Amino acid sequence: DIQMTQSPSTLSASVGDRVTITCRASQSISSWLAWYQQKPGKAPKLLIYKASSLESGVPSRFSGSGSGTEFTLTISSLQPDDFATYYCQQYNSDSSFGGGTKVEIK
Amino acid sequence: EVQVVESGGGLVQPGGSLRLSCAVSGFTFSRYWMHWVRQAPGKGLMWVSRISGDGAGTYYADSVKGRFTISRDNAKNTLDLQINSLRAEDMAVYYCARGTITGASFFDFWGQGTLVTVSS
Repeated sequence: DIQMTQSPSTLSASVGDRVTITCRASQSISSWLAWYQQKPGKAPKLLIYKASSLESGVPSRFSGSGSGTEFTLTISSLQPDDFATYYCQQYNSDSSFGGGTKVEIK
Repeated sequence: EVQVVESGGGLVQPGGSLRLSCAVSGFTFSRYWMHWVRQAPGKGLMWVSRISGDGAGTYYADSVKGRFTISRDNAKNTLDLQINSLRAEDMAVYYCARGTITGASFFDFWGQGTLVTVSS
């Protein structure tokens, strides 16, 4: 099974900050990685797929990069609506998720 | 507009059974792999199972293999998850999610989830 490790688990930031979240896979997953945003009591929302492809309707301040085993999600200028928990997901071999990164207000 | 709506959750005793359902609309259901993903209270996401568009291919997470059965009815646009031998660790919100037309994939549409509570 492929293990996904996200860091940090919690991140405190202010509106306007540039935020970067890292996701590492236990083995190469090529570019088969997605990122989701989840708010309390809601279903996850797809942000990025195939490591760097922006889902339709997602603001351009979100971007993804990486391949192989190391990936990043970047929010270029944090907005009030972005305070949430973010998950990475590999889909190279079945599917597994990272443990999540909670982005909190500083 | 794509819609995904789960139902069937509830309170079940350990060792009991439950059948979850997911009704979809707004896309050609039979073309897409469909998935179940769960989230225990206060925890992260865990992929549970997937099924091919024609229903011939099914896959499960190791922790549910042999106890859970995924199925679909393409005539009714519904997806089901039969859960048997429920354990405390199965307590979670269960989400139905759309994959792509090819195997393992990301999930672009999700339902609101249905809560399964395991307690005596």
